[in-house]
Amino acid sequence: SAVISQKPSRDICQRGTSLTIQCQVDSQVTMMFWYRQQPGQSLTLIATANQGSEATYESGFVIDKFPISRPNLTFSTLTVSNMSPEDSSIYLCSVKTGYNEKLFFGSGTQLSVL
Amino acid sequence: KQEVTQIPAALSVPEGENLVLNCSFTDSAIYNLQWFRQDPGKGLTSLLLIQSSQREQTSGRLNASLDKSSGRSTLYIAASQPGDSATYLCAVRYGNQFYFGTGTSLTVIP
Repeated sequence: SAVISQKPSRDICQRGTSLTIQCQVDSQVTMMFWYRQQPGQSLTLIATANQGSEATYESGFVIDKFPISRPNLTFSTLTVSNMSPEDSSIYLCSVKTGYNEKLFFGSGTQLSVL
Repeated sequence: KQEVTQIPAALSVPEGENLVLNCSFTDSAIYNLQWFRQDPGKGLTSLLLIQSSQREQTSGRLNASLDKSSGRSTLYIAASQPGDSATYLCAVRYGNQFYFGTGTSLTVIP
């Protein structure tokens, strides 16, 4: 299994500012995933973060808005830049690990943008 | 694009009742299927994972079944408790892509 520490757990931010979310995993993993969950909806993949290379972004998400860092195999950050109220969501980091490649998630960051 | 559907969107049951949550998917060529629990404003907690070659998995009061030919998985919760109240999501994996359902919000009434 994997234990993922994600912070902050929640934040209320002003329009136009940026927030950086951190995820720390208790074991080395090749890929980390960042998801967004808008109110009442399911999870949408933002990007996949690989150590040593640029993150791979899904359609509709761009690096300027959601820059990601992956400095080593246990840590990643996602920044939500120039925020607007439409960015209010739960942001989740996830890893795939173990012999059966089970998905594990952090505790989530609930972001509200005023 | 793969579609994963969970019906009903919400379910309310009295404490002690056995219940079944449903997850349907359009393409039977899955790699595995995973059930999660999500409490309000929180992350997802893994409950059970079923590989494509398996028919079911059990953990405590939970039992998940998989029928690839019909594109369906069920999560059975026995003797429900108020602490089971949460949203339950299924995630279907195809290759290296994961597709999530929109979840079933379960309320267990004491």
